[in-house]
Amino acid sequence: QEKVQQSPESLIVPEGAMSSLNCTFSNSASQSIWWYQQHPGKGPEALISIFSNGNKKEGRLTVYLNRASLHVSLHIRDSQPSDSAVYLCAVSYYAQGLTFGLGTRVSVFP
Amino acid sequence: EAAVTQSPRSKVAVTGGKVTLSCHQTNNHDYMYWYRQDTGHGLRLIHYSYVADSTEKGDIPDGYKASRPSQENFSLILELASLSQTAVYFCASSDQGAPNERLFFGHGTKLSVL
Repeated sequence: QEKVQQSPESLIVPEGAMSSLNCTFSNSASQSIWWYQQHPGKGPEALISIFSNGNKKEGRLTVYLNRASLHVSLHIRDSQPSDSAVYLCAVSYYAQGLTFGLGTRVSVFP
Repeated sequence: EAAVTQSPRSKVAVTGGKVTLSCHQTNNHDYMYWYRQDTGHGLRLIHYSYVADSTEKGDIPDGYKASRPSQENFSLILELASLSQTAVYFCASSDQGAPNERLFFGHGTKLSVL
């Protein structure tokens, strides 16, 4: 069973600051890596994905992937209270499966 | 915007009883999935389907059956509910297979087995 580990478990940041989340995975043969956002009582919602080594930027989000170190990170610039949620890292290993991490709970205070 | 609707939103079941969770999507997507979410385990894939009248096993299929009678509908069936099946269940759909396509999730069904 492939493993996806996320750190930190929780993160508290002031409004306007950068939120930085980490994810490590167990197999470099993974395909795409996805980040999902989940608000309480709701289903996860896809934010951004990356396949190739390097970085990808979309709006306030930047994701960095290093397959050699089996590490991917998500950075949220100018964090807002509405960004408070659980962020899930998901790694695809085979045709139809996504393996999810346990998540990082982000709290942004005004 | 893609729409995935689950019913019921919550359910209390008795041990040994039969439970059916339903999912309906209006996205015209081929792929549908059932996941469960537990504290300490995260989201885990139970069953999925890429065409009507056919289902495939995911990572944790034991104790669950799935049914895909049409492209729009996908059900999860617990024939003999057990305490260990208490969890939040999410249905999702995607246009193509999971690796390169975002999944659209429903709001979840909270199942409590007593």
